[in-house]
Amino acid sequence: GNSVTQMEGPVTLSEEAFLTINCTYTATGYPSLFWYVQYPGEGLQLLLKATKADDKGSNKGFEATYRKETTSFHLEKGSVQVSDSAVYFCALDVYNQGGKLIFGQGTELSVKP
Amino acid sequence: KAGVTQTPRYLIKTRGQQVTLSCSPISGHRSVSWYQQTPGQGLQFLFEYFSETQRNKGNFPGRFSGRQFSNSRSEMNVSTLELGDSALYLCASSFDATNEKLFFGSGTQLSVL
Repeated sequence: GNSVTQMEGPVTLSEEAFLTINCTYTATGYPSLFWYVQYPGEGLQLLLKATKADDKGSNKGFEATYRKETTSFHLEKGSVQVSDSAVYFCALDVYNQGGKLIFGQGTELSVKP
Repeated sequence: KAGVTQTPRYLIKTRGQQVTLSCSPISGHRSVSWYQQTPGQGLQFLFEYFSETQRNKGNFPGRFSGRQFSNSRSEMNVSTLELGDSALYLCASSFDATNEKLFFGSGTQLSVL
């Protein structure tokens, strides 16, 4: 079936460190891929997306490239800030007909000053 | 532009009771989907409505139901509550039938005692 696997957290980094959160997926067809972020006490916010192979999504210094050959969509940021502390979710959409996203377990990121 | 509004924010119920949660989507959005978030299972899709019709349903028992009104507001109902129903219930809305951009509410935290 369709699934998303993320690296386990929590991930603890110092400010200005490089961030990678791994995400791999299993899906039939050609899914769209997403990264969502959840700050404490809030709902999820779309961080970035990619809809086809080799697309690179980017936003707020975060990037992820849709790699079909390795079925991966790793999230990266060159220099994290304390304000990036949150839980990050990788997700896929196979059906592209609304609503049904399949999420990974989430990776908690904690950035220390 | 107001975001997705979920009420109530917190809810405490006892086993066997029923509960109704409400979601008001962003103005103009016609799709509303619901997710259950728990520490053990992560984010799981419940169902999705578009123009008052349920289009997708996740793997939840029939105790979980929902509906959408003509103004796109949605409610979900859980009958005969069980301890395992304790979770954060998130609602998300989007303008059209795709997952290109989902906007999430802050959720309703349900505790079943």
